[in-house]
Amino acid sequence: DTGVSQDPRHKITKRGQNVTFRCDPISEHNRLYWYRQTLGQGPEFLTYFQNEAQLEKSRLLSDRFSAERPKGSFSTLEIQRTEQGDSAMYLCASSLGQWAKETQYFGPGTRLLVL
Amino acid sequence: QKEVEQNSGPLSVPEGAIASLNCTYSDRGSQSFFWYRQYSGKSPELIMSIYSNGDKEDGRFTAQLNKASQYVSLLIRDSQPSDSATYLCAVIGGFTGGGNKLTFGTGTQLKVEL
Repeated sequence: DTGVSQDPRHKITKRGQNVTFRCDPISEHNRLYWYRQTLGQGPEFLTYFQNEAQLEKSRLLSDRFSAERPKGSFSTLEIQRTEQGDSAMYLCASSLGQWAKETQYFGPGTRLLVL
Repeated sequence: QKEVEQNSGPLSVPEGAIASLNCTYSDRGSQSFFWYRQYSGKSPELIMSIYSNGDKEDGRFTAQLNKASQYVSLLIRDSQPSDSATYLCAVIGGFTGGGNKLTFGTGTQLKVEL
C-alpha cells in the first residue's frame, strides 16, 4: 500500500502528558499537511511543509504544538502538556504540489482522547 | 460569514435517486474546489476536483462550479446505500491568503434509504 500512513491510529492519554504522532506521506510527495477534526466539523488546517521547510502555521497551533519534517520525508506532530480540548482526530495529508491544482490525499488519521 | 458553507443535513434520498449536495464559499479568489467523502470514524477520501466553471463528470458523480455565484455542487446519480456518508466541500486559494491549505465546510450528511 503506497498511501499516506499514520501512527498510532488511536491514542488515549492523561491531561498534562506529551504525545507524538507520525505521518509517512506518499513517496515523492513534496508537500505534507496536518489538519485537526472534531466531531461534526470539517478538518481544520494546522500546518504544512514543503520538503523539510515548515511554510505555514495556523493560529490554531498554540506553542504546545510542534511539527517537524526532517529530511523532507516523514513528519511528526507533538503536543505537549495535553488538554482535554486537544481531543480530536489528527489528519495528515500529502500532495505533489502544483499550486492551486494540487490534490491532497489523507491518511487514516490518529484519534486522540485526552482524559 | 463562514468561508465555506454547507447544509449539515441529513439529506435523505431513496436508492436509485439523484442526490444533490451544495456548497458556497466566501473568498472570490478561490481557485480549486474539491469534494471529499467521509464515512463515520474514517478519514476524508477524494471524490472529485474541479477548477473551471461548468460541469465535470466522473462515473456517477458530477461536480458543478459557478465562480460568479461562488457555488459548487455535487450530484450523485443512481444513489446507493454505500453512498451514505458525510460529503465535505473544500477550497484552496483565495484573496485572503489561503495559500495551499484546504478550507473545509462542515459537511453534509447523506443517507440513501432502501
